[in-house]
Amino acid sequence: ELKVEQNPLFLSMQEGKNYTIYCNYSTTSDRLYWYRQDPGKSLESLFVLLSNGAVKQEGRLMASLDTKARLSTLHITAAVHDLSATYFCAGTTGTASKLTFGTGTRLQVTL
Amino acid sequence: EAGVVQSPRYKIIEKKQPVAFWCNPISGHNTLYWYLQNLGQGPELLIRYENEEAVDDSQLPKDRFSAERLKGVDSTLKIQPAELGDSAVYLCASSRTSSYNEQFFGPGTRLTVL
Repeated sequence: ELKVEQNPLFLSMQEGKNYTIYCNYSTTSDRLYWYRQDPGKSLESLFVLLSNGAVKQEGRLMASLDTKARLSTLHITAAVHDLSATYFCAGTTGTASKLTFGTGTRLQVTL
Repeated sequence: EAGVVQSPRYKIIEKKQPVAFWCNPISGHNTLYWYLQNLGQGPELLIRYENEEAVDDSQLPKDRFSAERLKGVDSTLKIQPAELGDSAVYLCASSRTSSYNEQFFGPGTRLTVL
């Protein structure tokens, strides 16, 4: 059974700073997703990582995947207040696309 | 393209009452998912439908929860009777198929059981 762990659970950072959120998973995952959730809102898909060494970037966010280490990272560059949200990683196994989510990282960017 | 639609957005009921949630997936999406999200947690899958067939309901508490997806489009999730511990957000998601297809989530229904 796939288990997904994220850390930190809560992250308070100043605008302009860089930081990384880590996502570890327990068994082979076919693909790794990153989602963003604003308070009271649904999940918004950010990245899908398909293979070892995959790196994707969108604005100030960059996600990477290391399947050998069973680790994905979400790197935030020069944080801005608009990035404040909860970020989830999720893995899948098999072709059924059953998503197993981590507990989420609540990011708070302060001025 | 319209997104996944859910209603109601909020529901407050007393324990032991029944409650139902409705989901309309993105047009053309054959796979529909219901997730439960407790406060401060990631979503957990309750049930997955391929068209009108429930193909994974292993996490659905069948003593009080039921779901249906008539005609393979809209879906309804029901709880009867509701318990205090059922207070959570119920999310619906859909994808074109279940094979490596991205899931799109609806806004969720926040249930409060008093």
